[in-house]
Amino acid sequence: AQSVTQLGSHVSVSEGALVLLRCNYSSSVPPYLFWYVQYPNQGLQLLLKYTSAATLVKGINGFEAEFKKSETSFHLTKPSAHMSDAAEYFCAVLRSGNQGGKLIFGQGTELSVKP
Amino acid sequence: DAGVTQSPTHLIKTRGQQVTLRCSPISGHKSVSWYQQVLGQGPQFIFQYYEKEERGRGNFPDRFSARQFPNYSSELNVNALLLGDSALYLCASSLEGREPYNEQFFGPGTRLTVL
Repeated sequence: AQSVTQLGSHVSVSEGALVLLRCNYSSSVPPYLFWYVQYPNQGLQLLLKYTSAATLVKGINGFEAEFKKSETSFHLTKPSAHMSDAAEYFCAVLRSGNQGGKLIFGQGTELSVKP
Repeated sequence: DAGVTQSPTHLIKTRGQQVTLRCSPISGHKSVSWYQQVLGQGPQFIFQYYEKEERGRGNFPDRFSARQFPNYSSELNVNALLLGDSALYLCASSLEGREPYNEQFFGPGTRLTVL
């Protein structure tokens, strides 16, 4: 069965500091992996996705993630945090054999940015 | 272009009642998926529909049902509401449900409170 685990339910950084949100996945086949962001009282917005092309994936708002098969990780990073980055972040894997529908999400990491 | 729309935005029901949530996908998208997000957790997959047919179902009781209409809009029905059904219900649409991967675009969600 495929699953994702997000390490740390809450991360706090200072404005301008590096953002690192951790995600490890479990999959018996090459996975499709995603990072979503959720602002308060809103739906989910796709930040970036890994679909077996380049292992370093660049997304919106300056975020990027690196797929590391040896570590079964897909950590999200941003060199310099901005106040507007404060939100909930979810890592997700697409279930293998799926015909398009089922995303399996982690528990989420709340990012706080201090001025 | 209009994104995924959901109605209503908020809903308050009492235990035992029934509720219907509605979703309109992005124009041209033929697949709709429903997710339940309980406070403090990641979204959980409920259903996927493609071309009016159920393509996948998550681990939810039979009190949950859904359907997709010829215009690809969708309704999620929940009968005999329980307190534990209180959650944000998210709808996501994708271009087509047949491919190994299709990006899912999420709506803002319907916040259901069961008293």
